[in-house]
Amino acid sequence: GAVVSQHPSRVICKSGTSVKIECRSLDFQATTMFWYRQFPKQSLMLMATSNEGSKATYEQGVEKDKFLINHASLTLSTLTVTSAHPEDSSFYICSARDVEGLNTEAFFGQGTRLTVV
Amino acid sequence: GENVEQHPSTLSVQEGDSAVIKCTYSDSASNYFPWYKQELGKRPQLIIDIRSNVGEKKDQRIAVTLNKTAKHFSLHITETQPEDSAVYFCAASSPSGGSYIPTFGRGTSLIVHP
Repeated sequence: GAVVSQHPSRVICKSGTSVKIECRSLDFQATTMFWYRQFPKQSLMLMATSNEGSKATYEQGVEKDKFLINHASLTLSTLTVTSAHPEDSSFYICSARDVEGLNTEAFFGQGTRLTVV
Repeated sequence: GENVEQHPSTLSVQEGDSAVIKCTYSDSASNYFPWYKQELGKRPQLIIDIRSNVGEKKDQRIAVTLNKTAKHFSLHITETQPEDSAVYFCAASSPSGGSYIPTFGRGTSLIVHP
């Protein structure tokens, strides 16, 4: 299957700083990428849908000024957690869908474990 | 928007038994239903999917059934093995401005006892 690479896999940062997470599709082009947050033993909560070349669509309750998403190319989307606080500590995971497939499998990155201290 | 309910939240079986996980969805426009397996600390991996024009699909020990009228779909794992232990997520993908955003169920933690 297609490969989605997410970096970093783990990050620890201080309160008040910003953290950038990258999501890359390695062997396909992705018009759409999805960003999820997952709490321990819970489901994948969709935060936003990232569309190449346009503004991301955020789910209700997700602060767009806090979670900045940039999808500048067909192979890269970034999520920046700004002014991070301990409550932002979580597992963040992206997924990407091949531009050729309108409604097909989405491939997941390996996730980023963010710890804010 | 789409709403996906998944049951049970935890399923414990003996090795060799069958396991069934059920999901319901609300949006009749949903037409793609993938199932993902997520092992602890790892990314979700697609194990099987089904489209709305098909009622059943099988891949070795794994099968998925879909009832469009009732808006429910199920995952069936036969002859379970300890390595099947993981969290399983169902999803329903419905059109939202043309993006077909997948909505996930809450997950089922499957434990297979040797």
